[in-house]
Amino acid sequence: NAGVTQTPKFQVLKTGQSMTLQCAQDMNHEYMSWYRQDPGMGLRLIHYSVGAGITDQGEVPNGYNVSRSTTEDFPLRLLSAAPSQTSVYFCASRKGQSYEQYFGPGTRLTVT
Amino acid sequence: KQEVTQIPAALSVPEGENLVLNCSFTDSAIYNLQWFRQDPGKGLTSLLLIQSSQREQTSGRLNASLDKSSGRSTLYIAASQPGDSATYLCAVDSWGKLQFGAGTQVVVTP
Repeated sequence: NAGVTQTPKFQVLKTGQSMTLQCAQDMNHEYMSWYRQDPGMGLRLIHYSVGAGITDQGEVPNGYNVSRSTTEDFPLRLLSAAPSQTSVYFCASRKGQSYEQYFGPGTRLTVT
Repeated sequence: KQEVTQIPAALSVPEGENLVLNCSFTDSAIYNLQWFRQDPGKGLTSLLLIQSSQREQTSGRLNASLDKSSGRSTLYIAASQPGDSATYLCAVDSWGKLQFGAGTQVVVTP
């Protein structure tokens, strides 16, 4: 199994540009989540999904959209990038609420 | 709102010493608690998962305890090695969402 994969690894955007961060898992996990990690702030939940077709907001959802059309994929869309969205983004998945969570390697995003 | 705190923020120990990392949370209505390790520039690696009905979990040199009533979990790492140097994070599952602490940065010196 490849586990949780994320692309790209690095990205630089200009303010106002849009882009999609890709996340995929091959473990048939129902739960998937997106986090951002900032120095001194820890990991904060952006959006999460408990199955295909079901998504919900986390702690910091503004400026981000998600959809879950398949079990495997959970892309994160930045609608209009802002410097405040400069961060490291992690995707994670787990089989269900009673199971451990697995993380992808992260995407380092810089918005200038 | 659930708040998760990890103290200390940083810790340096000589090789061979036992490590004790603390995690506290404000709302005892948790589903489970998970400990992770993060190496610089990398993602998080799961170490141990403790269900709310459990008191502890063990894996090799690692042992994690959970006391829901006092809102505390402790991660013990026995006989530390330089390879244990990393940041350790705890995360509490409340209502299906994981709330993370800020982590404890550990350095094990040879």
